[in-house]
Amino acid sequence: EAAVTQSPRSKVAVTGGKVTLSCHQTNNHDYMYWYRQDTGHGLRLIHYSYVADSTEKGDIPDGYKASRPSQENFSLILELASLSQTAVYFCASSEQGDSYEQYFGPGTRLTVL
Amino acid sequence: QQKVQQSPESLIVPEGAMTSLNCTFSDSASQYFAWYRQHSGKAPKALMSIFSNGEKEEGRFTIHLNKASLHFSLHIRDSQPSDSALYLCAVRSGGSNYKLTFGKGTLLTVTP
Repeated sequence: EAAVTQSPRSKVAVTGGKVTLSCHQTNNHDYMYWYRQDTGHGLRLIHYSYVADSTEKGDIPDGYKASRPSQENFSLILELASLSQTAVYFCASSEQGDSYEQYFGPGTRLTVL
Repeated sequence: QQKVQQSPESLIVPEGAMTSLNCTFSDSASQYFAWYRQHSGKAPKALMSIFSNGEKEEGRFTIHLNKASLHFSLHIRDSQPSDSALYLCAVRSGGSNYKLTFGKGTLLTVTP
């Protein structure tokens, strides 16, 4: 089965600090995504990428940057963490083809104090 | 921008009941319609999907799609306590590469 891992699994950060969330996939998938999940908001797309060294803005990119240094790795960077960025963050991957199914990592619970 | 809405927000059903979950979307050119299930504290996982009008059955689960009504649904026959989870519908808009737009979810509780 497709495998997506995330690190760290949980993190406490201070307001104004820099946070980096990492994602690694062994599926050989071209597409990778970062979502945040808040109670009552489902999953909202922050950034995505379809090839190494290139990223695209999703629906809520403000306050976030993304980096895709290789096909397997995709990072989400919060340069100046804010209270409103407290959420659970999920990384996902999907292949390019007829199936649009996305495979999710276990999530990172981020608390900004 | 694609709008995806789910109803109801939450649902409590007894074991053995039929459960129906609904999802509406706004882009008539949408091309892929899916349900994901997320157990508490876990990652979302694809349950089933459909591309064209009609229905598709996999075990106790059936998905219905009516593009003209901008609506699709998930029906769970003989609901089990293990079906208790957050159900998210997802839609791929026409021409949006591989991006999916998710609804806010329906929290299903199946009581023994």
